[in-house]
Amino acid sequence: DAGITQSPRHKVTETGTPVTLRCHQTENHRYMYWYRQDPGHGLRLIHYSYGVKDTDKGEVSDGYSVSRSKTEDFLLTLESATSSQTSVYFCAISGLAGSTDTQYFGPGTRLTVL
Amino acid sequence: GQQLNQSPQSMFIQEGEDVSMNCTSSSIFNTWLWYKQDPGEGPVLLIALYKAGELTSNGRLTAQFGITRKDSFLNISASIPSDVGIYFCAGRYGGSQGNLIFGKGTKLSVKP
Repeated sequence: DAGITQSPRHKVTETGTPVTLRCHQTENHRYMYWYRQDPGHGLRLIHYSYGVKDTDKGEVSDGYSVSRSKTEDFLLTLESATSSQTSVYFCAISGLAGSTDTQYFGPGTRLTVL
Repeated sequence: GQQLNQSPQSMFIQEGEDVSMNCTSSSIFNTWLWYKQDPGEGPVLLIALYKAGELTSNGRLTAQFGITRKDSFLNISASIPSDVGIYFCAGRYGGSQGNLIFGKGTKLSVKP
């Protein structure tokens, strides 16, 4: 157990509404990541953070924003949700000890946009 | 962009058999990771490889970082029903923490 929680675990929302997903870690890892997982595409990086207030875009960042105001929390925001953003979202962390490459995943959030 | 080719996409095996899956890329990777994902859960790290040629075991699992740095394989010996799930490889290229990409997974089903 890498000490990662995600909330909510499930959410159904309507097109055009804002949505914020939260990732919380208890182990002081430097790096945090948001991925989405879709059939046929595997896991794709949305955004990642390399420190408080330091973030960068991933492969599929359009339509998403992130914020990290504390080491332990990384928020993913969909400003205006669309049906194409229906997916399972995973948070990951790395960098506490050993290689910073080794990422540990949270349990996921299943988001449905109607 | 960078891509990983993971094969096979799925496989059915008899309990007790050995399993082998692999990932290949046209690019050089610095790190290879292998994960297992059960339904409704997040991927769980099985093995991490950091050097070309490295061979690492974790119980009945063995993985190797290819000498060319463009491939990796995962072997499972004497499979059991709880090995069922989806196995993902992941590789990191370049110097950025954002440069970890995932294969599309190998779905393993075991006949009891």
